[in-house]
Amino acid sequence: QVQVEESGPGLVKPSETLSLICTVTGVSISNGQWCWVRQPPGKGLEWIGFLYDSGNTNYNPSVRSRVTTLVDVSTNFFTLKLSSVTAADTAIYYCARLLFGIRGLGLDVWGHGIAVTVSS
Amino acid sequence: QLTQSPSSLSASVGDRVIITCRASQGIANSLAWYQQEPGKAPKLLIYSVSTLQHGVPSRFSGSGSGTEFTLTISSLQPGDSATYFCQQLGSSPYTFGQGTKLEIK
Repeated sequence: QVQVEESGPGLVKPSETLSLICTVTGVSISNGQWCWVRQPPGKGLEWIGFLYDSGNTNYNPSVRSRVTTLVDVSTNFFTLKLSSVTAADTAIYYCARLLFGIRGLGLDVWGHGIAVTVSS
Repeated sequence: QLTQSPSSLSASVGDRVIITCRASQGIANSLAWYQQEPGKAPKLLIYSVSTLQHGVPSRFSGSGSGTEFTLTISSLQPGDSATYFCQQLGSSPYTFGQGTKLEIK
């Protein structure tokens, strides 16, 4: 059974870098496509981006200049780094598996989410 | 851009419920629907417009083409109270609709 789980600090200071890890179990991370989604308090879902082919990336233009993602095949996790954070980056951050055929199909495995607050 | 309607609705157990998702441009029928209960992660219900994800009850169905899509719950059950989101995966970024909050009367 494929599972993913987010981990990282729940509080980040403004202007600093948010760093999260998504640990994948039940499948090799090189055998899938993986993504990050966030949800500000009381609001909808925002697509951050996804990783494919164990290293290629595709990001939402809204965060592209500030985001970095990496895949560690040896330990089966991938990361999210978001720099220069502001209060607008306060959200629940989810990692998920992206089903992909000819085109994207949907996100079939989600983590529980991790709440990150940006505050001094 | 995806626009869902209605943004909220209230219905009774046994009702047929329809939620609409409109895309601002064609999305190659790459549309998914999710259910999110309060405090939980979203759950994939339907992908590729009308394919039911494993384990999802058959009272959920999806249809549509081009730029207009619908999620139908044929007979509403008490556990269906949740927020429903559509997502387009036809072109990056894979954006979500703003959500439809469904309450049981």
